Amino acid sequence: NAGVTQTPKFQVLKTGQSMTLQCAQDMNHEYMSWYRQDPGMGLRLIHYSVGAGITDQGEVPNGYNVSRSTTEDFPLRLLSAAPSQTSVYFCASSYSLRDSGANVLTFGAGSRLTVL
Amino acid sequence: KNEVEQSPQNLTAQEGEFITINCSYSVGISALHWLQQHPGGGIVSLFMLSSGKKKHGRLIATINIQEKHSSLHITASHPRDSAVYICAALYNTDKLIFGTGTRLQVFP
Repeated sequence: NAGVTQTPKFQVLKTGQSMTLQCAQDMNHEYMSWYRQDPGMGLRLIHYSVGAGITDQGEVPNGYNVSRSTTEDFPLRLLSAAPSQTSVYFCASSYSLRDSGANVLTFGAGSRLTVL
Repeated sequence: KNEVEQSPQNLTAQEGEFITINCSYSVGISALHWLQQHPGGGIVSLFMLSSGKKKHGRLIATINIQEKHSSLHITASHPRDSAVYICAALYNTDKLIFGTGTRLQVFP
């Protein structure tokens, strides 16, 4: 089924461990992005990419790394996990954020990360 | 600072009522998005607006560029509309800034 696939759905880490959240889409979308969602706060952009080989920082990039070697994949790496990175993470993709069609932005199901 | 503010934070309604959720933003946006987050956590894109009005089923979204304001309306609300509704502004970059969401509960 076409869409955005995020893995894992749940992960528990210890402080200092590293891990990668995977995001893949099969819609040939150029734009891909990672967000975190914390209680009482809106979604916040971590990193985004407008095409293969191009990435840029969002609002809260510290402690996270991304790469975009293919159109389909946009992994998010936590270099040294901290309790402040406990959150729900969403990956999303789009053909264009300015596209007037329906379902402009397609989200993955989310990944709940707990850092102890 | 680019900001997005939503009101109300929480909203309860009886089935059949007309619902309005408001979103205000700073100058200079190129697009305004409305999203729905289901109780299970999944997020669905509802609309993208740069001007005027859009309608999909019982959902209507409007934007007033001069007043820097957008509204999402739900006609004939139903318990299945219970969700968090989120607006997000695109400020002439490829970065979306999100509001904190409006939690809607519709009771039968």
